[in-house]
Amino acid sequence: GENVEQHPSTLSVQEGDSAVIKCTYSDSASNYFPWYKQELGKRPQLIIDIRSNVGEKKDQRIAVTLNKTAKHFSLHITETQPEDSAVYFCAASRSSGNTGKLIFGQGTTLQVKP
Amino acid sequence: KAGVTQTPRYLIKTRGQQVTLSCSPISGHRSVSWYQQTPGQGLQFLFEYFSETQRNKGNFPGRFSGRQFSNSRSEMNVSTLELGDSALYLCASSFGTVQETQYFGPGTRLLVL
Repeated sequence: GENVEQHPSTLSVQEGDSAVIKCTYSDSASNYFPWYKQELGKRPQLIIDIRSNVGEKKDQRIAVTLNKTAKHFSLHITETQPEDSAVYFCAASRSSGNTGKLIFGQGTTLQVKP
Repeated sequence: KAGVTQTPRYLIKTRGQQVTLSCSPISGHRSVSWYQQTPGQGLQFLFEYFSETQRNKGNFPGRFSGRQFSNSRSEMNVSTLELGDSALYLCASSFGTVQETQYFGPGTRLLVL
């Protein structure tokens, strides 16, 4: 069945450093890859997404890269700040007409130390 | 626009009981998905509804069911509760498909004793 593996499970960086989280998906038909951020006690929120027709997407300090051949995608956060501390989830989805389901990775807890 | 709301926010049940959770999506959103969140398993897809029809289902036993009403509000039901059903149940809505921004509700925290 579909599966998304996410690494590392925890990540601790110093403020100002970069953070990279990697995900691997099993369903080669997956074509949509969002990243969600969940702060402690809050609901997940979309921070960036990428579709299979592009290899990279950036939004200020956040970027996502996609390697369809290797079936993996990564989240890059540059110049990390304490407010970046949260759990980050990757997900993958294949679309069949208007249907589909999001398969999430198990999450990465990012801690940014001031 | 008001965000996604879920009721109740907290629930305590005992094994064998059943429970119904409710989700009201953002106005205009017709797709509602449900997820189970646990510390060990992360976010697991339960099902997705669109226009009162279940379009997709995750790998959960038949004790987990759901429905959607004509106003897009959705309910999920868990029958014969087990200890392992203790989790945060999140719903998310989007305009039409899961390949758009999913707006999550605050969740219902279910504890099964």
